Amino acid sequence: AQSVTQLGSHVSVSEGALVLLRCNYSSSVPPYLFWYVQYPNQGLQLLLKYTTGATLVKGINGFEAEFKKSETSFHLTKPSAHMSDAAEYFCAVSDQQGNTPLVFGKGTRLSVIA
Amino acid sequence: DVKVTQSSRYLVKRTGEKVFLECVQDMDHENMFWYRQDPGLGLRLIYFSYDVKMKEKGDIPEGYSVSREKKERFSLILESASTSQTSMYLCASRSGTGGLGEQFFGPGTRLTVL
Repeated sequence: AQSVTQLGSHVSVSEGALVLLRCNYSSSVPPYLFWYVQYPNQGLQLLLKYTTGATLVKGINGFEAEFKKSETSFHLTKPSAHMSDAAEYFCAVSDQQGNTPLVFGKGTRLSVIA
Repeated sequence: DVKVTQSSRYLVKRTGEKVFLECVQDMDHENMFWYRQDPGLGLRLIYFSYDVKMKEKGDIPEGYSVSREKKERFSLILESASTSQTSMYLCASRSGTGGLGEQFFGPGTRLTVL
């Protein structure tokens, strides 16, 4: 079985500060890992994904994440927060065969303070 | 551009009513999913379908059923709506073969049961 833990249901940062959203996963098989973003009253939009190969993955809007197998982590970062980054962020895991639905974490709400 | 559409953005129903939530995708995807999203609980999988006329129970299927008569359409049915089913419902689709696990989401239906 697979699971995802997102540390911190709410993270608040100042505009221009580093954004760090934490995600740890559990998987008995090699995983695919995803970060999705949800803006108010919208569906989920893919930010980035790790499949195989390079462990540092770059996504849209300046976000990136690093797959660390030894730490079973896939933390999301952005060097400088912008007001428009305020949203809810979800980490998700699936197996590499694509045979199972994505399993999501409970989400982290990011607030950006001017 | 890929698209998943849901029949309603907002829906208000009475307790005991039969409710249909419709989802249509235009990407010829084999897999389709229904999630509900509640604050603090993240996304929870209700049902999914790997192909036409196939369905699988997710984590919280009680009180719901689904129908997939055509590849592009996946319907969620609340047989007798209850107030506990007030929630945001998200539909998603994914390529069954050759895809890298990414799920594409619709904008969501916010259902209120009075």
